[in-house]
Amino acid sequence: GAGVSQSPSNKVTEKGKDVELRCDPISGHTALYWYRQSLGQGLEFLIYFQGNSAPDKSGLPSDRFSAERTGGSVSTLTIQRTQQEDSAVYLCASSWDRRRGNEQFFGPGTRLTVL
Amino acid sequence: TQLLEQSPQFLSIQEGENLTVYCNSSSVFSSLQWYRQEPGEGPVLLVTVVTGGEVKKLKRLTFQFGDARKDSSLHITAAQPGDTGLYLCAGATVSSNTGKLIFGQGTTLQVKP
Repeated sequence: GAGVSQSPSNKVTEKGKDVELRCDPISGHTALYWYRQSLGQGLEFLIYFQGNSAPDKSGLPSDRFSAERTGGSVSTLTIQRTQQEDSAVYLCASSWDRRRGNEQFFGPGTRLTVL
Repeated sequence: TQLLEQSPQFLSIQEGENLTVYCNSSSVFSSLQWYRQEPGEGPVLLVTVVTGGEVKKLKRLTFQFGDARKDSSLHITAAQPGDTGLYLCAGATVSSNTGKLIFGQGTTLQVKP
């Protein structure tokens, strides 16, 4: 498909386990974002990748959260030692670079439930 | 510090009523976007405004960018149940050299038939 895809769509895990969430951006998009969204709430920025620049990690809530983007394409968000407060929908978005407009195209999200 | 303040946070109205959602900041934005999100899906872009004072219309939706490019509004005329959803404003500040978008907290709109 031509859109942003995320996997898994749902993830249920036990407290203390590690989880990996995957994002496949639109081909050619240089920017990639991760957000967290609690039920009915706005978007909480987590991390931003732009081309080959160092990622903006200013939104990561703790050192249990990390993300990488391999080859400028696929990204993985890893949460170690999950806690119940990590339960949320994790959204990924990608966009062209700033010169081509920065409309963000979102994936459907991964709903994470930590028991 | 929340750079973009959206109001109201929640709005429940009857079909046919008009409404306005506001997005305000003390920062100047090079562009501002409005997104709409339905349950179980990611947000989808409605409009981008880039010029101070700009007004854009999308059917029953009217978007305005403030003259100073610090605020924006979304006005819906004769709301319909299909307008129900979460509305988000997002902007790129002029001081940002990356184009990173800042999102408001969102406005949850419920239109009752």
